[in-house]
Amino acid sequence: QKEVEQDPGPLSVPEGAIVSLNCTYSNSAFQYFMWYRQYSRKGPELLMYTYSSGNKEDGRFTAQVDKSSKYISLFIRDSQPSDSATYLCAMSYGGSQGNLIFGKGTKLSVKP
Amino acid sequence: EAEVAQSPRYKITEKSQAVAFWCDPISGHATLYWYRQILGQGPELLVQFQDESVVDDSQLPKDRFSAERLKGVDSTLKIQPAELGDSAMYLCASSRGLADNEQFFGPGTRLTVL
Repeated sequence: QKEVEQDPGPLSVPEGAIVSLNCTYSNSAFQYFMWYRQYSRKGPELLMYTYSSGNKEDGRFTAQVDKSSKYISLFIRDSQPSDSATYLCAMSYGGSQGNLIFGKGTKLSVKP
Repeated sequence: EAEVAQSPRYKITEKSQAVAFWCDPISGHATLYWYRQILGQGPELLVQFQDESVVDDSQLPKDRFSAERLKGVDSTLKIQPAELGDSAMYLCASSRGLADNEQFFGPGTRLTVL
């Protein structure tokens, strides 16, 4: 079992839909949770950064962390064609073990 | 807006040749990471620097890969000799320090080994 599991999709939704992206993980020692957006042939762009359980909102994006279930989510409201990209979840143990453990990424397509 | 710079953006080489990638992190960022991303996968760490010191190179194939950050600022990743299986995106990321897990990525170098 990989440390971080993420459904690779692809996921196709109509413009304006609410998108839900999810990851599960196996190691309860993870402390920091991130979502990155990656356009084709580009580097990952940090979208959301959270610590511990709870919700964090930034514009149309909401990140949720449920440490008891080892489950994180990213919600995108009023999705736009420009949101079409691969979304990567990532997590780290923190401290000197700062390297990120990534999921495989979910490819999202928002159709006009 | 401060960004991580990488060059070249694309590199095509033949197997057994040497290749090198360069990264300039965001100014003031002490921690620098090199990741490799195979198509359809998430990035995986190769090496982590804190200033000029290696913090973690446990996943770096040291028989052919080397990395340095001599002055604690920019960094070079080298592969010699390149193999077909090295074809991937090589990503550099930086963060303010070891205790700061907010990592910012550069645009990457896409390597194709023929």
